[in-house]
Amino acid sequence: DAGVIQSPRHEVTEMGQEVTLRCKPISGHNSLFWYRQTMMRGLELLIYFNNNVPIDDSGMPEDRFSAKMPNASFSTLKIQPSEPRDSAVYFCATSGAGTSQPQHFGDGTRLSIL
Amino acid sequence: AQSVTQPDIHITVSEGASLELRCNYSYGATPYLFWYVQSPGQGLQLLLKYFSGDTLVQGIKGFEAEFKRSQSSFNLRKPSVHWSDAAEYFCAVGAPGTASKLTFGTGTRLQVTL
Repeated sequence: DAGVIQSPRHEVTEMGQEVTLRCKPISGHNSLFWYRQTMMRGLELLIYFNNNVPIDDSGMPEDRFSAKMPNASFSTLKIQPSEPRDSAVYFCATSGAGTSQPQHFGDGTRLSIL
Repeated sequence: AQSVTQPDIHITVSEGASLELRCNYSYGATPYLFWYVQSPGQGLQLLLKYFSGDTLVQGIKGFEAEFKRSQSSFNLRKPSVHWSDAAEYFCAVGAPGTASKLTFGTGTRLQVTL
């Protein structure tokens, strides 16, 4: 079975550029989570969706960050404009229906903003 | 607010030795508890989870964890470590009734010497 698929795996771009990270959830999973991992702050939940609807975006650091889930098989996390402090590994995770379903993680996107 | 503490940042064990990774949580009720493992360049993989019932739970790769309510702990154990177990291990908690909004510990990096 295909797991959570994230693209790109690595992204290097210059400050000020727009960055779009993509996530394809496991088929049938109806909850999707975006995390950011850094050495300083560890693993932080940015936003999560349930049935394509954003439920909690309190972890989104600022207005430069936005996330969408236009359908059940695709989500994006966008940073515009990007800054060097956004450099991190961004993970997408999904889980199935039900309150006891664990999260399954993708392999992440390593983002470097120069 | 819920919180998770992993007091050991880095642990080194010899191959074949036993392992215990500590996790303490702070929450008003018994939360949902998880252990994940992260190998370099990869996402987090679920090792095991505890929701209720038997306080000793078995997971994949020969790992087990014991929930101790009196100590607010959920320590991960393995009787005999293999070199391939070298990775970073994360404990996480979620509110009862939901595995959605998880709070992760800062992780413990395990090094295995031959």
